[in-house]
Amino acid sequence: AQSVTQLDSQVPVFEEAPVELRCNYSSSVSVYLFWYVQYPNQGLQLLLKYLSGSTLVKGINGFEAEFNKSQTSFHLRKPSVHISDTAEYFCAVMGGADGLTFGKGTHLIIQP
Amino acid sequence: NAGVMQNPRHLVRRRGQEARLRCSPMKGHSHVYWYRQLPEEGLKFMVYLQKENIIDESGMPKERFSAEFPKEGPSILRIQQVVRGDSAAYFCASSPPLQGRGAEAFFGQGTRLTVV
Repeated sequence: AQSVTQLDSQVPVFEEAPVELRCNYSSSVSVYLFWYVQYPNQGLQLLLKYLSGSTLVKGINGFEAEFNKSQTSFHLRKPSVHISDTAEYFCAVMGGADGLTFGKGTHLIIQP
Repeated sequence: NAGVMQNPRHLVRRRGQEARLRCSPMKGHSHVYWYRQLPEEGLKFMVYLQKENIIDESGMPKERFSAEFPKEGPSILRIQQVVRGDSAAYFCASSPPLQGRGAEAFFGQGTRLTVV
């Protein structure tokens, strides 16, 4: 079985400040890792994914994430946030015969 | 190529009625996932289907809930005898055949079920 832990349910950040959203996973097999964003009353949109290769993955809207196998982490970062980044962010893992498993989400709140 | 289509977007049912939620995956996608989202609880996996097969239904409540993905037509999530606790947003996602399981899952806009 696999699981995902997003350590922060809410992260308040001032506009133009950097942000890191934390994600840890557990799995007994090799995994693929994803970050999705959900804007209010919308479905989920893929930000980025790690399949293999370089551990630093760049996604849309200036986000990037780093896969750390030894720490089983896949933290999401952005060097300078904008008010429009206010949303719910979900980390997800897929491995073995399991489907896509999501964390509980982190609500990113951008303060002017 | 249209995205994942879910309908209806909003559904109101009285307690005891049946709710039927539809999901049309993207063209060429043969895998469908259903998730339930409750306030403050994130996304809960319900069921994973391929055409005519249920692959994993470990997240489905044992009673009243069923899902299917027929050879032709949309995937259907059916909730019988709805109760207030079934009120939630239900999201469907689809992905292409998994030659390498890193295939991206594309999400629909969700169906918001309200039980009154």
